[in-house]
Amino acid sequence: EAGVTQFPSHSVIEKGQTVTLRCDPISGHDNLYWYRRVMGKEIKFLLHFVKESKQDESGMPNNRFLAERTGGTYSTLKVQPAELEDSGVYFCASSLSGTGAYNEQFFGPGTRLTVL
Amino acid sequence: ILNVEQSPQSLHVQEGDSTNFTCSFPSSNFYALHWYRWETAKSPEALFVMTLNGDEKKKGRISATLNTKEGYSYLYIKGSQPEDSATYLCALYSGGYQKVTFGTGTKLQVIP
Repeated sequence: EAGVTQFPSHSVIEKGQTVTLRCDPISGHDNLYWYRRVMGKEIKFLLHFVKESKQDESGMPNNRFLAERTGGTYSTLKVQPAELEDSGVYFCASSLSGTGAYNEQFFGPGTRLTVL
Repeated sequence: ILNVEQSPQSLHVQEGDSTNFTCSFPSSNFYALHWYRWETAKSPEALFVMTLNGDEKKKGRISATLNTKEGYSYLYIKGSQPEDSATYLCALYSGGYQKVTFGTGTKLQVIP
């Protein structure tokens, strides 16, 4: 069974540009999470989808970040326009249906974003 | 903002030693605590999902306990091996939307 995949693995962009990150969860997993780790800091929650609905997006830093999960399958996270402080590793994780907190989360390999 | 603290920040132990570390968290609105193992250049791997006060979980040489009343969880590794070297993260799920807050991790180095 394929795990959670993320694309691209690395992205280097200039300040002001737009970047779109993609996450493909494990097939059948209704819960999908986005996280970010800025260098030297802890992993921070960004948002949580249940199927195609945003369950909680309280961790999104500002309106330059837009996440979608069309059809409840893969998800995209767009940053527009990117700023220097957006640099970090963006992780996606998925878990089975039901209460997300009670289910094991499977993490993707992450996308390392560098904004110059 | 919730404070999930892990101690120690880092730890060096000799191969064969047993060790333990702590995750402390606010006990109100508790839903669950997850433990993860995170090797450098890889993604976090789930170890345990703990939901009930008094929970004890075990996977091989690694075990964990949970005290939701006092707000802490311990992770134990018995007979540490070099392949146990990793950062161990805890993540607290709390509040109405089961918001998740990660600790900063304990970095374990097992010396052969």
